Amino acid sequence: GESVGLHLPTLSVQEGDNSIINCAYSNSASDYFIWYKQESGKGPQFIIDIRSNMDKRQGQRVTVLLNKTVKHLSLQIAATQPGDSAVYFCAENTPMDSSYKLIFGSGTRLLVRP
Amino acid sequence: DVKVTQSSRYLVKRTGEKVFLECVQDMDHENMFWYRQDPGLGLRLIYFSYDVKMKEKGDIPEGYSVSREKKERFSLILESASTNQTSMYLCASSFPSAGGMYNEQFFGPGTRLTVL
Repeated sequence: GESVGLHLPTLSVQEGDNSIINCAYSNSASDYFIWYKQESGKGPQFIIDIRSNMDKRQGQRVTVLLNKTVKHLSLQIAATQPGDSAVYFCAENTPMDSSYKLIFGSGTRLLVRP
Repeated sequence: DVKVTQSSRYLVKRTGEKVFLECVQDMDHENMFWYRQDPGLGLRLIYFSYDVKMKEKGDIPEGYSVSREKKERFSLILESASTNQTSMYLCASSFPSAGGMYNEQFFGPGTRLTVL
């Protein structure tokens, strides 16, 4: 079936470096994508989203890139900080029957080394 | 700020018990969702609701039921808890989708349920 996956389950980066978390999606009809951050013991928290009519969107220290040609989504975090340590999920809004469904990936754990 | 609260952070129950997980949101969202989260499996949708007294099955509804008597409250019920229902349960809410496109879902802190 259609699914959202992540290439790297764990990513370790040095504090101050940039982080890139990748996500592959399989449904070319998906039209909206979200990145969530989940810290230990907490629920997922919205970071940034992007519509399929865009290929890049920037927030504060975060950038999401969408490559529809290869169905790839990435989250870039600039100047990674210890507080960025968390599990990051991508989610895709995909058509299903007569409605839409939000499908979540399994997550990538980001570890920030001091 | 949107706030989604769940009645318990940690819960321990015995096999066969009836379990109620409560979720309340304060942003007048029409949509509410229940997920379970297990290592390596991501978030899996159990049930969702688009309106009061309305419910739809998600991907893994077996062994669960839900209740939405008021707009702000969405309850997940385990009729007879089993050990394979040990998991993290997450509630979420959102505004209704426009033109089929989902809006951002806001999550509660989760309830870690252990069934012995």
